Amino acid sequence: GENVEQHPSTLSVQEGDSAVIKCTYSDSASNYFPWYKQELGKGPQLIIDIRSNVGEKKDQRIAVTLNKTAKHFSLHITETQPEDSAVYFCAAKGFRYGKLTFGQGTILTVHP
Amino acid sequence: DGGITQSPKYLFRKEGQNVTLSCEQNLNHDAMYWYRQDPGQGLRLIYYSQIVNDFQKGDIAEGYSVSREKKESFPLTVTSAQKNPTAFYLCASSPDRVNGNQPQHFGDGTRLSIL
Repeated sequence: GENVEQHPSTLSVQEGDSAVIKCTYSDSASNYFPWYKQELGKGPQLIIDIRSNVGEKKDQRIAVTLNKTAKHFSLHITETQPEDSAVYFCAAKGFRYGKLTFGQGTILTVHP
Repeated sequence: DGGITQSPKYLFRKEGQNVTLSCEQNLNHDAMYWYRQDPGQGLRLIYYSQIVNDFQKGDIAEGYSVSREKKESFPLTVTSAQKNPTAFYLCASSPDRVNGNQPQHFGDGTRLSIL
């Protein structure tokens, strides 16, 4: 099946700085890559996703980039705010495996 | 409001006891999923269902069982055979069958602990 590695496991930034979280995947046929934000005691919430026919997607302060050749994708958050503090998960849907495989998560802390 | 409702929020299990976690969705989604989340780990798939009266094992199905008698409901039973059931359980749904590329929407989870 698919294998997804996520780095870093923790990330601490000052308010206003940018934050970048990176994921690699193993199945070269993977074609869908969502990112989720999970707050304490809550379920994950989809914040952005990208499909394999697109290299970059933006939504206000959030962007995702995809490099199919290197099999990695990244989440970029600009102008971070304290309310961005949460656990972020990447995931990949492999064509052969057919189901979402999640990374291990990144704990993002934004200091005011 | 459309969404996924999981209940209860907290659940305690005694040794040798089976417990059932509820998941209901009013999004009219075909596919539903159960995940287990342990501290410092990603979500691991327990079972999924693409359509009513059909379900498939995920990566860690041992000690769990499910049913899908109605489109909107996908209950998970944690049996006494599951020796390490303490975890946060998440239910999700998506509009498509499993091989489509539609986002999964999650409930707010049930935290299960051993007494």
